[in-house]
Amino acid sequence: AQSVTQPDIHITVSEGASLELRCNYSYGATPYLFWYVQSPGQGLQLLLKYFSGDTLVQGIKGFEAEFKRSQSSFNLRKPSVHWSDAAEYFCAVGGDYKLSFGAGTTVTVRA
Amino acid sequence: DGGITQSPKYLFRKEGQNVTLSCEQNLNHDAMYWYRQDPGQGLRLIYYSQIVNDFQKGDIAEGYSVSREKKESFPLTVTSAQKNPTAFYLCASSMRSGGGAFTDTQYFGPGTRLTVL
Repeated sequence: AQSVTQPDIHITVSEGASLELRCNYSYGATPYLFWYVQSPGQGLQLLLKYFSGDTLVQGIKGFEAEFKRSQSSFNLRKPSVHWSDAAEYFCAVGGDYKLSFGAGTTVTVRA
Repeated sequence: DGGITQSPKYLFRKEGQNVTLSCEQNLNHDAMYWYRQDPGQGLRLIYYSQIVNDFQKGDIAEGYSVSREKKESFPLTVTSAQKNPTAFYLCASSMRSGGGAFTDTQYFGPGTRLTVL
């Protein structure tokens, strides 16, 4: 069965510092991986996705993610966080029958 | 502008009432989805539709019903059989249907927050 684990429920980071959000997935075949961001009371916005090819994927808002098959991970990174990056972040894996989401990581940015 | 609209933004339901949440898309997407979001649980799939007049149950379909009479519309009815309906409901769509539906990018609406009084 496919599943996604986001080990960190909440992360606090200072503005201008780097950010890394962890995502581990379980899926038997080639995974289709996504990172979405959600501001409070809003829908989800796609940050980036990985289907195949280069394992380092660039997304919007300065985010990138690296796919590591050996570790079943797809961690999201940003070199320098802005206050507007405070939100909830969801990792997801797409398969034959569903798109499975992790429980999310809430990011707080302190001045 | 192309996108997905959901209405209303906030909805209040009394015990024993059915309520219908609207979802419309003008992206010309084949597939549409309904998710339920509860704090700390991520998103769970309620129903999805890959083509007009056809839909399938997701992981938590009990107490919900849907219809897909038009390509652009996928309304969700929360029935009185749903014992704990208070949640945030998200509608999404994706271009492809069939075998590629769940590997295609899903685009989300702004959500409807349903509260049972």
